[in-house]
Amino acid sequence: SQQGEEDPQALSIQEGENATMNCSYKTSINNLQWYRQNSGRGLVHLILIRSNEREKHSGRLRVTLDTSKKSSSLLITASRAADTASYFCATDQGNDMRFGAGTRLTVKP
Amino acid sequence: DTAVSQTPKYLVTQMGNDKSIKCEQNLGHDTMYWYKQDSKKFLKIMFSYNNKELIINETVPNRFSPKSPDKAHLNLHINSLELGDSAVYFCASSGRLAGGPKTQYFGPGTRLLVL
Repeated sequence: SQQGEEDPQALSIQEGENATMNCSYKTSINNLQWYRQNSGRGLVHLILIRSNEREKHSGRLRVTLDTSKKSSSLLITASRAADTASYFCATDQGNDMRFGAGTRLTVKP
Repeated sequence: DTAVSQTPKYLVTQMGNDKSIKCEQNLGHDTMYWYKQDSKKFLKIMFSYNNKELIINETVPNRFSPKSPDKAHLNLHINSLELGDSAVYFCASSGRLAGGPKTQYFGPGTRLLVL
């Protein structure tokens, strides 16, 4: 069954702006991961946050996790045209991972 | 070297045909998956194999049959193809980051179009 639900479904911003994407899930998780998918390609792992962590950084990426609200956010700072892609959250429930439908981010130059 | 590879990349076929998609990973991972991504980009897990054993079998028509001849390969055979099978099928394998939690490595996808 579907687990992560991303919000918004689509986001369009100007280069240099920040992009925030949200993810909600329904059950207990071991960790939550964000993946990126360029058009016509497979998903690529970006960042992982464990269930006992609240915030994590990697370069221009910042991920937060609120297990009480069962939600996570991905912030991309100082966006670039090359950040244009779909972003998926995935929840690790032990035996498998469940992905949502993704947020389609368009960064205009 | 490609970590997770799939063949073919594109597959166009008629309704009712039987087709196979092959997947190979050279990462030494124990677990492999098949996902279906529909036109709305929703990614749904279909099957998961661990060390050649089926561990996840979602609600998928039995026209879909995975086969894992060894740990590095997970093929997907589809019988009696239907229009609704048109989608992008992704193979993935999972391994641990520096001994930590598992992350997934995806193949490039196979774009299936059933006419």
